[in-house]
Amino acid sequence: GAVVSQHPSWVICKSGTSVKIECRSLDFQATTMFWYRQFPKQSLMLMATSNEGSKATYEQGVEKDKFLINHASLTLSTLTVTSAHPEDSSFYICSASPRTSYGYTFGSGTRLTVV
Amino acid sequence: QKEVEQNSGPLSVPEGAIASLNCTYSDRGSQSFFWYRQYSGKSPELIMFIYSNGDKEDGRFTAQLNKASQYVSLLIRDSQPSDSATYLCAGGGANQAGTALIFGKGTTLSVSS
Repeated sequence: GAVVSQHPSWVICKSGTSVKIECRSLDFQATTMFWYRQFPKQSLMLMATSNEGSKATYEQGVEKDKFLINHASLTLSTLTVTSAHPEDSSFYICSASPRTSYGYTFGSGTRLTVV
Repeated sequence: QKEVEQNSGPLSVPEGAIASLNCTYSDRGSQSFFWYRQYSGKSPELIMFIYSNGDKEDGRFTAQLNKASQYVSLLIRDSQPSDSATYLCAGGGANQAGTALIFGKGTTLSVSS
């Protein structure tokens, strides 16, 4: 149980275009989902907390207008990287927890390359 | 600033040995602690979580928590080459469904055959 599905697994886009990444909880409802970014050989950095039906909470230094988060249902959160640039190339991972004492489950991640 | 500190390694152990991974955290409000294993290019996978002081064992893995010292560790017994990966320590709140994990930078473990 507690499966989180993330798509796409990898994407290559041209500089200036936008990319949408989907994160779905398959067998539980997730009021809250978390988006992380990981650069090569670095740890996971929390970008934002996605809340169903309300605005996301962004971490300091993360541009909310560039990284648009929509959590329209209890099973789906999306991250849109707008006007992507090569420096946005990274590994993006979503996470959610079905309940306290269960732990967190991660999606398989999306490797974004902006050329 | 909530922080989780780990020695980046690499930690090298021979096959069959015990690997000891350590982690300290700054936020005394952290209630839950997690160890994840991450292979290169892959998403983290949960190994163990621990909430209470003391030891928690699961197969070859033992997690240890000392809240007074703000210290968490992971022991891997009978280490195998397949255990070679980066191990991430993370701290979370009591309400896991609504609180994000704070990760350390990870310790790279290399198990030689």
